[in-house]
Amino acid sequence: DTAVSQTPKYLVTQMGNDKSIKCEQNLGHDTMYWYKQDSKKFLKIMFSYNNKELIINETVPNRFSPKSPDKAHLNLHINSLELGDSAVYFCASSQDIWQANEKLFFGSGTQLSVL
Amino acid sequence: LAKTTQPISMDSYEGQEVNITCSHNNIATNDYITWYQQFPSQGPRFIIQGYKTKVTNEVASLFIPADRKSSTLSLPRVSLSDTAVYYCLVGAGNTDKLIFGTGTRLQVFP
Repeated sequence: DTAVSQTPKYLVTQMGNDKSIKCEQNLGHDTMYWYKQDSKKFLKIMFSYNNKELIINETVPNRFSPKSPDKAHLNLHINSLELGDSAVYFCASSQDIWQANEKLFFGSGTQLSVL
Repeated sequence: LAKTTQPISMDSYEGQEVNITCSHNNIATNDYITWYQQFPSQGPRFIIQGYKTKVTNEVASLFIPADRKSSTLSLPRVSLSDTAVYYCLVGAGNTDKLIFGTGTRLQVFP
């Protein structure tokens, strides 16, 4: 079983569309994250939820809205997609964000291409 | 911004030992040092973590001097499959430990 799974793996869409990426972890972790990796390979944290509570909300356009129905799931909805949103989006989880020795477990990524 | 500085890239040959050093001059008392490996088209993968001295697992060793202002990831006898980007992260209960820097791109040649 994959520890952190996200779907879809590839997402190709037109500008202006709305799309969602789903993420699930079966590790029993309390904290989940969304990261964005752009074409220059910089990996930047976007959001973090701990026990369904929003903990981190980096400077991300309002068009991005995370949703955590339970602590095993963290979905990312993106409205009005723009060309600059094209990137690889990674979901991750960890035991508890407030632990000093946290280790992150990543999904395999969703390659989003906005045309 | 990341609290760490690493070389942008390194080259090696199969069978050699590779040492990647990470500088973290502003490391705090409670901070841990964690290394991740990322292959193309995959998410980062945890390799090793330490607080002080030396840590070794089946994949790598991590050397941390007494002042903890730097750390060195050591990969013994690398193979082509070790070609990847290696990230050093430093932090504790705050969010610093979640911030990835530019990483070190290791290229292993036959």
